[in-house]
Amino acid sequence: GAVVSQHPSRVICKSGTSVKIECRSLDFQATTMFWYRQFPKQSLMLMATSNEGSKATYEQGVEKDKFLINHASLTLSTLTVTSAHPEDSSFYICSASDSGKSNQPQHFGDGTRLSIL
Amino acid sequence: KNEVEQSPQNLTAQEGEFITINCSYSVGISALHWLQQHPGGGIVSLFMLSSGKKKHGRLIATINIQEKHSSLHITASHPRDSAVYICAVRSEGAQKLVFGQGTRLTINP
Repeated sequence: GAVVSQHPSRVICKSGTSVKIECRSLDFQATTMFWYRQFPKQSLMLMATSNEGSKATYEQGVEKDKFLINHASLTLSTLTVTSAHPEDSSFYICSASDSGKSNQPQHFGDGTRLSIL
Repeated sequence: KNEVEQSPQNLTAQEGEFITINCSYSVGISALHWLQQHPGGGIVSLFMLSSGKKKHGRLIATINIQEKHSSLHITASHPRDSAVYICAVRSEGAQKLVFGQGTRLTINP
């Protein structure tokens, strides 16, 4: 079945570090991928829609210069948290669906738990 | 008011019980998803519905488009079913999903 691979699964780093998270669709192509953030015991919050070959669409309140998204190929989107601070500590997760077929479910990565010290 | 409301927020039951989780939404949709999130955080897509009913193993999902309501049922529940179950809808013409708050299910042996 369709698989989305997200890497790394966990990051612990110092304040001021930039952290890159990768989201890959392993056996399908995805022109669109989604990036979410989730705080403990809360629901998923959409951060941005990543579009292959064009700029990402950010949700209101999400700083595009803070959360850089690159979707350079049909199977890979990256989210870079620039100059991360403790308040950026959260669970980040991506999703994608097969753009070659209609009416497809979203497939989610396993998420990245980011801890900024 | 959220576009997607789930109930209950928390549910604890004994192994073997029949479980029902409800989802109501307020917008026209092209699809409704039921997702399962385990304690480690990973999310599995259980069902995608636009009408009627779907069944997979012990899981059944139904949707009533006119009433803007969906239910997820688990028969013969088991401790391994313990997870957060999330209802999400895709509005007509939209790509992104709107999520409910989730239902935290605990099945005790």
